[in-house]
Amino acid sequence: KNEVEQSPQNLTAQEGEFITINCSYSVGISALHWLQQHPGGGIVSLFMLSSGKKKHGRLIATINIQEKHSSLHITASHPRDSAVYICAVSYGQNFVFGPGTRLSVLP
Amino acid sequence: DVKVTQSSRYLVKRTGEKVFLECVQDMDHENMFWYRQDPGLGLRLIYFSYDVKMKEKGDIPEGYSVSREKKERFSLILESASTNQTSMYLCASSLRGAGYGYTFGSGTRLTVV
Repeated sequence: KNEVEQSPQNLTAQEGEFITINCSYSVGISALHWLQQHPGGGIVSLFMLSSGKKKHGRLIATINIQEKHSSLHITASHPRDSAVYICAVSYGQNFVFGPGTRLSVLP
Repeated sequence: DVKVTQSSRYLVKRTGEKVFLECVQDMDHENMFWYRQDPGLGLRLIYFSYDVKMKEKGDIPEGYSVSREKKERFSLILESASTNQTSMYLCASSLRGAGYGYTFGSGTRLTVV
């Protein structure tokens, strides 16, 4: 079974700071997903990656297949970025979630 | 916009009641999933379905059953609700091959009293 780990578990930042959340997994995958969940809310898919790097607004996701590692970066963070960020990996028909990183961005 | 719709946002039920949680997707996805999310435990897979009338147990199927009579609808059934089933329930769907088009519903927060 694929083990998915995230770090840090909790993160508090000041508005405007550059933020990095890390994800590592143990078994080869077909794709890696970054998901966002606001308090009390549903889950939104931010990125699906199988190689390289993707950018959407202030969010950047990278993946290193050889090292089985991905990072999610948030530039110029804002209080509305406060959420739980979840890394998930898919392989075959399986989909495994990391434990999530709780981010709080203070004004 | 593609959508996975869960019928209730909040639900309060009594112990012993039979509870139905409904999920509908409009994307013609083959795969549908039910998860529960609890603090400190993350998302855990209850059941999933690859096609109409097909179902597979996930990691924590005890106390639950599912029904998929039509491609777009996947129902989670709590046969006799118990307080330890108080949780956030999330439905998701994807194209065949779990990596593609994975979309979540907005969740149902169920409280069993």
